[in-house]
Amino acid sequence: DGGITQSPKYLFRKEGQNVTLSCEQNLNHDAMYWYRQDPGQGLRLIYYSQIVNDFQKGDIAEGYSVSREKKESFPLTVTSAQKNPTAFYLCASTGTVVNQPQHFGDGTRLSIL
Amino acid sequence: QQPVQSPQAVILREGEDAVINCSSSKALYSVHWYRQKHGEAPVFLMILLKGGEQKGHDKISASFNEKKQQSSLYLTASQLSYSGTYFCGTEAGNQFYFGTGTSLTVIP
Repeated sequence: DGGITQSPKYLFRKEGQNVTLSCEQNLNHDAMYWYRQDPGQGLRLIYYSQIVNDFQKGDIAEGYSVSREKKESFPLTVTSAQKNPTAFYLCASTGTVVNQPQHFGDGTRLSIL
Repeated sequence: QQPVQSPQAVILREGEDAVINCSSSKALYSVHWYRQKHGEAPVFLMILLKGGEQKGHDKISASFNEKKQQSSLYLTASQLSYSGTYFCGTEAGNQFYFGTGTSLTVIP
């Protein structure tokens, strides 16, 4: 079955540490997205990528970095510059034809130790 | 850019109806609707592509008023399984914007 796999499900970060969240999809989708969701809040766009080796900042990119070396993979690094990283992180993908639904992974819950 | 939803929260008894509204200050060319259960990923419900379009499945339907830059989601004869947070969403350029969300709780 095609889908999006995020790992790990839970992640703990120490002060000053960078951590990387994995997102892999086998839907052959070109576009991939990272969202942050705080408790009781909506989804805010961190980064998105329309094609391999290209990505753009979303509304809250500060303190985060991404790479898109393969079509299937779009990892997100939460750097030490992100002072409030505790949140639920969701990866999504969609086909390049407009008006396609977003397919989501199961999310990674990140907390500070 | 973020669409605004109303109400923010609603509590229903099983069998009651609800309407969730989504409004944008920018032109809407399409509207998506998603439902998210607590601690889970959002699940796609439907997409409306044209002004005046209405869609639905089961007892959940939606309408899209392009001129008013609004969409509404209608839940009729609500079931316990309808509980969750509902988000509208829209594309703008290459970005996707989710609405502010509406928490819906159905009680027995």
